[in-house]
Amino acid sequence: DTEVTQTPKHLVMGMTNKKSLKCEQHMGHRAMYWYKQKAKKPPELMFVYSYEKLSINESVPSRFSPECPNSSLLNLHLHALQPEDSALYLCASSWDSRDEQFFGPGTRLTVL
Amino acid sequence: RKEVEQDPGPFNVPEGATVAFNCTYSNSASQSFFWYRQDCRKEPKLLMSVYSSGNEDGRFTAQLNRASQYISLLIRDSKLSDSATYLCVVEIQGGKLIFGQGTELSVKP
Repeated sequence: DTEVTQTPKHLVMGMTNKKSLKCEQHMGHRAMYWYKQKAKKPPELMFVYSYEKLSINESVPSRFSPECPNSSLLNLHLHALQPEDSALYLCASSWDSRDEQFFGPGTRLTVL
Repeated sequence: RKEVEQDPGPFNVPEGATVAFNCTYSNSASQSFFWYRQDCRKEPKLLMSVYSSGNEDGRFTAQLNRASQYISLLIRDSKLSDSATYLCVVEIQGGKLIFGQGTELSVKP
């Protein structure tokens, strides 16, 4: 089973809201990732977790806060976002940080 | 210079055609290389990893030339279902994937 699940599929939020994106995998992968993708652009890496520890933060603004509660789950907490943060947020996982990454279907976020 | 460069296309080809995509990368320390495909409004899906010895999966062949820092993907006997954006992806450090801009392929009947 090479499935990464993400919830919700769609999210609309105001600039003062707090929301969370969730990602889950049951493949025993030890690395998990958050990406942001704008229309007609490739995915851009935001965060990497390796063995449940944050290993890469690509200078992401603090209004995005990742959390890895256990090896199967990855959350992205959102607070005080801007309209330009509207995008597709993709979660991915891999056996190890140098291996092929498998992507979830993404959460399409709109910030009003 | 971009870290990963691809011809953005679009490539418009008839069914049955052979099409080749090229990609160059700038970081000589890169260790892992992949091709992903992405359909409109969907997530990227791994097409194949790319090895120095070259690898083939059915109609798809990938090649890596480390000396030239060049990666290629060849699709033979194109199908309508091959229409998608093809992303060249290079791993540069501990899980950090750098995506090329993608090459759009449209296969016509």
